[in-house]
Amino acid sequence: DQQVKQNSPSLSVQEGRISILNCDYTNSMFDYFLWYKKYPAEGPTFLISISSIKDKNEDGRFTVFLNKSAKHLSLHIVPSQPGDSAVYFCASWNNNNDMRFGAGTRLTVKP
Amino acid sequence: GAGVSQTPSNKVTEKGKYVELRCDPISGHTALYWYRQSLGQGPEFLIYFQGTGAADDSGLPNDRFFAVRPEGSVSTLKIQRTERGDSAVYLCASSLRSGSTPGELFFGEGSRLTVL
Repeated sequence: DQQVKQNSPSLSVQEGRISILNCDYTNSMFDYFLWYKKYPAEGPTFLISISSIKDKNEDGRFTVFLNKSAKHLSLHIVPSQPGDSAVYFCASWNNNNDMRFGAGTRLTVKP
Repeated sequence: GAGVSQTPSNKVTEKGKYVELRCDPISGHTALYWYRQSLGQGPEFLIYFQGTGAADDSGLPNDRFFAVRPEGSVSTLKIQRTERGDSAVYLCASSLRSGSTPGELFFGEGSRLTVL
């Protein structure tokens, strides 16, 4: 069962514009939601997270929004930079150390 | 280096053979995870160790897969009688049990397994 879904396999934006990556989940019992970033031939690296009791978390150019009623979260990157081009994975986490990943969205930021 | 180290980085084997993949986590990290990533998919959970014991092995697809962590540091994922469907990138990750961001795992670069 796919508990975390990323329905857009790819996204292309112009440098300087906003990138919005979306994620939906099915299980309301998750404690945290996270975004990981992956470059080719590297392992995923942690980017930003949000507790299930919050609706927004911001870290520099990256902001994650959580809409619990819609079971939806999004990652906003503004302004987007060419170095942000990577695959972004949404993940859910609970305190039983159970982490589920979405299929990923490939972001391309064009100069 | 100070990161998670996985060997081999690439492994090509024939159907039916036995394979071992090794993971050396970050020093001091008590939790260790194995994930499998197939093409176009996100990482899929296999097994989680807390110290030497497997705290959750519910993701292992069948009894051909086994993992150990005998001294609470290095872990080995073992696959018997490999099948073509086992071809994937096997990712290892480690984390501190406490004092860290929940869910923040540190991943290695992965071991790409190809079964011919």
